Amino acid sequence: DAKTTQPPSMDCAEGRAANLPCNHSTISGNEYVYWYRQIHSQGPQYIIHGLKNNETNEMASLIITEDRKSSTLILPHATLRDTAVYYCIVRRNTGGFKTIFGAGTRLFVKA
Amino acid sequence: EAGVVQSPRYKIIEKKQPVAFWCNPISGHNTLYWYLQNLGQGPELLIRYENEEAVDDSQLPKDRFSAERLKGVDSTLKIQPAELGDSAVYLCASSAGGETQYFGPGTRLLVL
Repeated sequence: DAKTTQPPSMDCAEGRAANLPCNHSTISGNEYVYWYRQIHSQGPQYIIHGLKNNETNEMASLIITEDRKSSTLILPHATLRDTAVYYCIVRRNTGGFKTIFGAGTRLFVKA
Repeated sequence: EAGVVQSPRYKIIEKKQPVAFWCNPISGHNTLYWYLQNLGQGPELLIRYENEEAVDDSQLPKDRFSAERLKGVDSTLKIQPAELGDSAVYLCASSAGGETQYFGPGTRLLVL
């Protein structure tokens, strides 16, 4: 399964958009891009996933480049409660769907 | 809808003692996962169940770790005997087939 590269940490001002990048240059055609976040002392929380098209839900938007080698998670109006570690993962949804977490990006939202 | 339930949330034991963690997945989820998370790192898969069958246990240290999911619903992860290096968070997750995994809050283990 493909691996991902994320910056170790980022800062964002409260109320501004937080844009978290992820590189996955070895992604296969049948692998999805998933984003999770983990707030201190909690289990990882699912945010969003996509295959090719951009996706949006109540939590975030996911922008996947046309060549699928990178993506960006966008939190449109970051709040202090969005401070967490954000994990970008690529994985298949069928058969042998191993999920490999990297170290993630630690996002600090500041007032 | 109830999420993944894990117990206990915290456990402190002395080295060489046994310890067990319990997980109840989301209703209807046939796939269950146990992960280990060390401080400052992402979760690492220990074992994956499809119903009651362990289909991926390649990362489970079988000399001291064991797991079971007898009726294909809830699951228990055991360590016997525990070592100092086993101090970590043990996460359980479940999914409907290979789709999105949902995680429980984890059990934080401290081995003294």
